[in-house]
Amino acid sequence: DTAVSQTPKYLVTQMGNDKSIKCEQNLGHDTMYWYKQDSKKFLKIMFSYNNKELIINETVPNRFSPKSPDKAHLNLHINSLELGDSAVYFCASSHLQGSGLFFGSGTQLSVL
Amino acid sequence: DAKTTQPPSMDCAEGRAANLPCNHSTISGNEYVYWYRQIHSQGPQYIIHGLKNNETNEMASLIITEDRKSSTLILPHATLRDTAVYYCIVRETGNQFYFGTGTSLTVIP
Repeated sequence: DTAVSQTPKYLVTQMGNDKSIKCEQNLGHDTMYWYKQDSKKFLKIMFSYNNKELIINETVPNRFSPKSPDKAHLNLHINSLELGDSAVYFCASSHLQGSGLFFGSGTQLSVL
Repeated sequence: DAKTTQPPSMDCAEGRAANLPCNHSTISGNEYVYWYRQIHSQGPQYIIHGLKNNETNEMASLIITEDRKSSTLILPHATLRDTAVYYCIVRETGNQFYFGTGTSLTVIP
């Protein structure tokens, strides 16, 4: 069983399109995150949700809209995709008061 | 933002100990030191964490200086599969994990 799973693994799309990435965790964690890793391999936090509530939004354009239907899921919807959105997006989860951060295997987004 | 400084790259001979340093001179009293690694383009993987005592688990050892301003991650017998980017992070419980640029470790046969 994969602890943090995200789909799709690869996503190739045209500029201007709208796309979603899904994430699910079966660890019983109360906090979920989205990270973006750009071509320079810098891993930057985008959003953090605790028990379905947004607790951090790190100056991400409002074209990015996370949605958490329950505490085991955190999906990322991106409107009007731009070339600069091309990156690997990682979902992660943890207990807010806990120690470990567990990552999914990533979604490689390519905007053409 | 990341509060740590690490060398950008290091090499280590296979079978030898890999010692990866990290400076965190502004660490506060209730911030923990965490280490993660990222192999190729996989998701980062937790290695170890500590507050002020040295820690050891099946993957690595963590040595934290007495003033807590720096730490060293030790992989006792490096293998080729340990080639990865290693991230040192300081984090207070309840706060976010901010990743720096990490150290790219290459284990040489």
